[in-house]
Amino acid sequence: TQLLEQSPQFLSIQEGENLTVYCNSSSVFSSLQWYRQEPGEGPVLLVTVVTGGEVKKLKRLTFQFGDARKDSSLHITAAQPGDTGLYLCAAYGGATNKLIFGTGTLLAVQP
Amino acid sequence: NAGVTQTPKFRILKIGQSMTLQCAQDMNHNYMYWYRQDPGMGLKLIYYSVGAGITDKGEVPNGYNVSRSTTEDFPLRLELAAPSQTSVYFCASAVGTGGIQYFGAGTRLSVL
Repeated sequence: TQLLEQSPQFLSIQEGENLTVYCNSSSVFSSLQWYRQEPGEGPVLLVTVVTGGEVKKLKRLTFQFGDARKDSSLHITAAQPGDTGLYLCAAYGGATNKLIFGTGTLLAVQP
Repeated sequence: NAGVTQTPKFRILKIGQSMTLQCAQDMNHNYMYWYRQDPGMGLKLIYYSVGAGITDKGEVPNGYNVSRSTTEDFPLRLELAAPSQTSVYFCASAVGTGGIQYFGAGTRLSVL
């Protein structure tokens, strides 16, 4: 079974702080996606990274795909309360090439 | 822009009852999926469909059934509800495999 392990599981920080969330696997993926899920809503895609070593920026969010395409990170600069939510990494894999979700990182940004 | 619509939003069932969770999408996507999400966790695939008339099991299909008679609709059926099925259920659709999945707002189900 291919697993995507995320760390940390929970993160509570003050507004203005920086943070990094990690997504790790022992498997190689052709691409990896990051979703954010707000309370009471479904996940919404933030970004897809496809090339080993790729870095993508989305305003204050920076996404990196590991050189070996086994891991990824999400860095948030100057976090705001609106960044609060569950962050999920996901990748297509397994025998049926279906989307596998990571274990999730629950972020709370206190004003 | 409706996207993926799930009904109902909330439901409480007694053990042994049955119900159908509805999912409809208006994007003409061939691929549709049902996931369950337990508190603070990622999503696990229950069933999926690659087109009308075609369905297949995901990671956790036991206790559930699906049908796909049209491109737009993909209902999920619980025949004999059990407490272990208490969860939030998400439906998603995509143009094809490997692409972006668009999610509904979810159905929160409690089985007591």
